[in-house]
Amino acid sequence: GQNIDQPTEMTATEGAIVQINCTYQTSGFNGLFWYQQHAGEAPTFLSYNVLDGLEEKGRFSSFLSRSKGYSYLLLKELQMKDSASYLCAAADSNYQLIWGAGTKLIIKP
Amino acid sequence: GAVVSQHPSWVICKSGTSVKIECRSLDFQATTMFWYRQFPKQSLMLMATSNEGSKATYEQGVEKDKFLINHASLTLSTLTVTSAHPEDSSFYICSAPNPGQGDYNEQFFGPGTRLTVL
Repeated sequence: GQNIDQPTEMTATEGAIVQINCTYQTSGFNGLFWYQQHAGEAPTFLSYNVLDGLEEKGRFSSFLSRSKGYSYLLLKELQMKDSASYLCAAADSNYQLIWGAGTKLIIKP
Repeated sequence: GAVVSQHPSWVICKSGTSVKIECRSLDFQATTMFWYRQFPKQSLMLMATSNEGSKATYEQGVEKDKFLINHASLTLSTLTVTSAHPEDSSFYICSAPNPGQGDYNEQFFGPGTRLTVL
């Protein structure tokens, strides 16, 4: 079956670095997305990886290993506004997104 | 970037009534739109794929007679929750694929509609 796993909750300190991991199993694979979702709001797009390696975009970076079915989202220089849920989603062979349950990131001063 | 709007943002209704939620792509055309439901602290659950000019495709376990989807134009899809019950209370979100990215399939999400059924 198709499955996405990511931690339920993580806590980090303002100014620090945090890595949110995601493992996936899909029928075919057409890329891995990371979305940020603040409470009560719709998700917003952060990154997309389809090739192995690290994609850097400002304070956020995303990594993909297709052979391991693994991705991570790396957040640097954490700010209080980064407190949110981070959703991992993998596109299967039909380009349908399979969503993880999300990782709630709590930032402490 | 592409903008998707939803209306209403929130709605409270009595059990047994029907509620219509609109999803609009404001600056692009969307032949396909997706409807999701999200319960508190849970992931997005795809309910159905709305197709302009044809019937919607429903995910397993989603009642098509209860959740009516109409893709009236290239910029508008509506979801009607018929005979709503308290268990239908949820956050309903629509999305449309980025029209300029081909297989990239980035989705732009509407702001969501919070439905509370009393």
